[in-house]
Amino acid sequence: GNSVTQMEGPVTLSEEAFLTINCTYTATGYPSLFWYVQYPGEGLQLLLKATKADDKGSNKGFEATYRKETTSFHLEKGSVQVSDSAVYFCALKWNTGFQKLVFGTGTRLLVSP
Amino acid sequence: DTAVSQTPKYLVTQMGNDKSIKCEQNLGHDTMYWYKQDSKKFLKIMFSYNNKELIINETVPNRFSPKSPDKAHLNLHINSLELGDSAVYFCASSLLGTDYEQYFGPGTRLTVT
Repeated sequence: GNSVTQMEGPVTLSEEAFLTINCTYTATGYPSLFWYVQYPGEGLQLLLKATKADDKGSNKGFEATYRKETTSFHLEKGSVQVSDSAVYFCALKWNTGFQKLVFGTGTRLLVSP
Repeated sequence: DTAVSQTPKYLVTQMGNDKSIKCEQNLGHDTMYWYKQDSKKFLKIMFSYNNKELIINETVPNRFSPKSPDKAHLNLHINSLELGDSAVYFCASSLLGTDYEQYFGPGTRLTVT
């Protein structure tokens, strides 16, 4: 079936450290890929997306590249801030049919000063 | 200027009771969704409505019944609540189409005792 696998958390970093959160997917065809972020006590917000192979999504210093050959969409940021502490969800969505998002299990990021 | 709102934010109730959660969006979207997030933060879609018509109905117990009185509202009624129904329920909305982002509400934390 179609699924998304994320690295287990929590990921604990010091401010200004480099961040990578791994995400791989299993799917037939070519879905669109997303990263959502959930800050404490809030709903999910779209962070970035990529709709086809080799696309790079970027926002707020975060980046992720759609790699068809490795079925991956790893999230990276060069220098994290305390305010980036949140839960990050990788997700996929089909480009045809109804707009069902399939989420990974989420990765909690904790950034200390 | 809230985009997607849910009421109530918190709901504590006893097993066997019936409860409803309401969702409203003022974004002019034609599609709305209910997601369930369990205690491990895993997010899974439950239902989706497009123009008041049910388009996604995942494997959810019959005790859960969504209702969409109009495009801007999607309510979730739960009968005979069980301990396992304790979770955070998120409403989301979007336009129907592959390029459109889903906007999430702040969530309703349901606790069944």
